[in-house]
Amino acid sequence: QSALTQPASVSGSPGQSITISCTGTSSDVGGYNFVSWYQQHPGKAPKLMIYEVSHRPSGVPDRFSGSKSGNTASLTISGLQAEDEADYYCSSYTSSSTPVVFGGGTKLTVL
Amino acid sequence: QVQLQESGPGLVKPSQTLSLTCTVSGGSISSGGYYWTWIRQHPGKGLEWIGHIYYSGSTYYNPSLKSRVTISIDTSKNQFSLKLNSVTAADTAGYYCASTVTLGDGDYPYYSDYWGQGTLVTVSS
Repeated sequence: QSALTQPASVSGSPGQSITISCTGTSSDVGGYNFVSWYQQHPGKAPKLMIYEVSHRPSGVPDRFSGSKSGNTASLTISGLQAEDEADYYCSSYTSSSTPVVFGGGTKLTVL
Repeated sequence: QVQLQESGPGLVKPSQTLSLTCTVSGGSISSGGYYWTWIRQHPGKGLEWIGHIYYSGSTYYNPSLKSRVTISIDTSKNQFSLKLNSVTAADTAGYYCASTVTLGDGDYPYYSDYWGQGTLVTVSS
C-alpha cells in the first residue's frame, strides 16, 4: 500500500480537462511544499512534470498545472492530448520514514 | 543536460547480491546540489525510494531495505552504485537511478529531475 493515495484511473476526451488527486498527511503533502508529479509512458522512465507543488520544468507544456490544499495535492491537465495518456505518480518529502514517498499511480486514458 | 545510465546484470540468483552502477554524463557528480538516488518499481506497481548518496559520501537508505542496501559513489568515474544483498523474488523490479535536487548535504530532497532509462533485474534461480 502506497503512502500517498491516488485514484487508480481517470479518463477524458481530447480537449477536456482532468484532475488527479494525491492525498497524504500532515507529515508529507500537508506539511511541506515538496510535492512533485511524474509522467510515465509504458516501458519508459518517469519524467518530471511538476515540482514544488506548482512549478513546471522547462519544456513541460503549460497545460499541466499543480496545486495543493491541506493534505491533498492535485495535478490538472487541460486541453487533453493523445500523448498525455500515461501513468502519473505524485511524490512528496515525508518526515515520517523514507525521505520521499510516492503515490500508487493513476492511469490516464484519453478517450 | 545531465544524463544517467544504469548498468549491471539483469538476472540475479536468490540469496546473492544485486549490483548496479549508474554513470552520469553531462555534469559532474561532485558539483553538489544533488542527491544521487536509486528508485525501484516492481512490475506493474508504483515507485519505491531505495536510498541516495551525496557526493561527500553521506547516504540515506529506506528503513525497510536499510539492512541490505549499500550505495557508494566514485567521483573519479562520475558513477554511483547500488548493492542489495540477500535478494529474493520480491526484489525483482525495474531499478532507476536519478538525480534529486537538494540545497545541500542533509537538506530536503526536493524533486528528481533526471532519470536513467531503468534496468529490469529479475531474481530467479
